[in-house]
Amino acid sequence: AQRVTQPEKLLSVFKGAPVELKCNYSYSGSPELFWYVQYSRQRLQLLLRHISRESIKGFTADLNKGETSFHLKKPFAQEEDSAMYYCALSGGGSNYKLTFGKGTLLTVNP
Amino acid sequence: SQTIHQWPATLVQPVGSPLSLECTVEGTSNPNLYWYRQAAGRGLQLLFYSVGIGQISSEVPQNLSASRPQDRQFILSSKKLLLSDSGFYLCAWSDPVRGVIEKLFFGSGTQLSVL
Repeated sequence: AQRVTQPEKLLSVFKGAPVELKCNYSYSGSPELFWYVQYSRQRLQLLLRHISRESIKGFTADLNKGETSFHLKKPFAQEEDSAMYYCALSGGGSNYKLTFGKGTLLTVNP
Repeated sequence: SQTIHQWPATLVQPVGSPLSLECTVEGTSNPNLYWYRQAAGRGLQLLFYSVGIGQISSEVPQNLSASRPQDRQFILSSKKLLLSDSGFYLCAWSDPVRGVIEKLFFGSGTQLSVL
């Protein structure tokens, strides 16, 4: 079974402060991990994926297989980063299931 | 370019009534299709997914069913709605290039209220 845990339902930081949204997963194979974001009045969309090792809008996420984590980080939060963030896992290969966590609502205060 | 359409945007139905939510994708062929439900405090729950016409995988035993009568059409149905079916329903598609999920594209969702 594949499971994704986001321990924080709500996270509030001030503009310019570092932010870390936590994600832990459970999967017996080699997973593919993603972060999705939903801004106010917009559709849910992909933010980044671990296989690309990319930085999007200043966000990065590193897959730590030892700790089974895929935390999302940004050194200096901006007000426009306020949104709902979902961590998601796929088993890869022919596993077409994408399992989401319950999400973390990030609020960046001015 | 590819687009996904989902309707209706909102729906209020009485308990025991039937349900039909429709989702169509344009601009691609043989997409993987998904139905998710987003309920307060429960995140996104995968309900069904389909990798081809007539191929439906169910993730959660429940009062709902899904069908894929055409390549780019995915329908979520119920014969008799329950109060617990209320929620925000999202349709999504992905391009199964190389047989892996690269990116899900989501529809705008349907807010279903069962009263």
